[in-house]
Amino acid sequence: DTGVSQNPRHKITKRGQNVTFRCDPISEHNRLYWYRQTLGQGPEFLTYFQNEAQLEKSRLLSDRFSAERPKGSFSTLEIQRTEQGDSAMYLCASSSRGQASQEQFFGPGTRLTVL
Amino acid sequence: DQQVKQNSPSLSVQEGRISILNCDYTNSMFDYFLWYKKYPAEGPTFLISISSIKDKNEDGRFTVFLNKSAKHLSLHIVPSQPGDSAVYFCAARNSGGSNYKLTFGKGTLLTVNP
Repeated sequence: DTGVSQNPRHKITKRGQNVTFRCDPISEHNRLYWYRQTLGQGPEFLTYFQNEAQLEKSRLLSDRFSAERPKGSFSTLEIQRTEQGDSAMYLCASSSRGQASQEQFFGPGTRLTVL
Repeated sequence: DQQVKQNSPSLSVQEGRISILNCDYTNSMFDYFLWYKKYPAEGPTFLISISSIKDKNEDGRFTVFLNKSAKHLSLHIVPSQPGDSAVYFCAARNSGGSNYKLTFGKGTLLTVNP
């Protein structure tokens, strides 16, 4: 399967713990995005990478959140000292450069539950 | 502020009939619009898109119409099938921006009854 993959699919953690999610984009895509979706809402933009450079972070991304994309391939999203309000679906998407860059292809998401 | 609005949380349609999902936007800088479909426990799947230089784009049973002056777009599904039952998200972006981020509406749950 050559789509976007995310791991783990589900994560249950206790408040105050750290969690890390991984996203593997479509291999030829140089742009990678993280979004967060809560119940009854559409996905909300968190951050964007072009190759290994993190070019924008939403104000939704507090200091407890950090994202990396070493070598411009896979990306990780870490949440430190999790809070119950962090419970959400975390979605990763990727897109290519050029004419096809408008469409973003999403992974299945990681559902985080903070107890 | 909600820059992309889907005012109908849900829509129920009979199989074989037309489904019309609506979306309004407020940001005049948006110039590219996309529709995504989402099943439970899966990520959004791209359906169809339209650039602001067009007013219609068609792909099989799916047609998107754009009315720039009204800042309104709609997705038509004809004929509707039970497998179309899902949440549909409207999304928009500013192609002149530097980050390519998409701004989504809250979604409309479409139920197609057999």
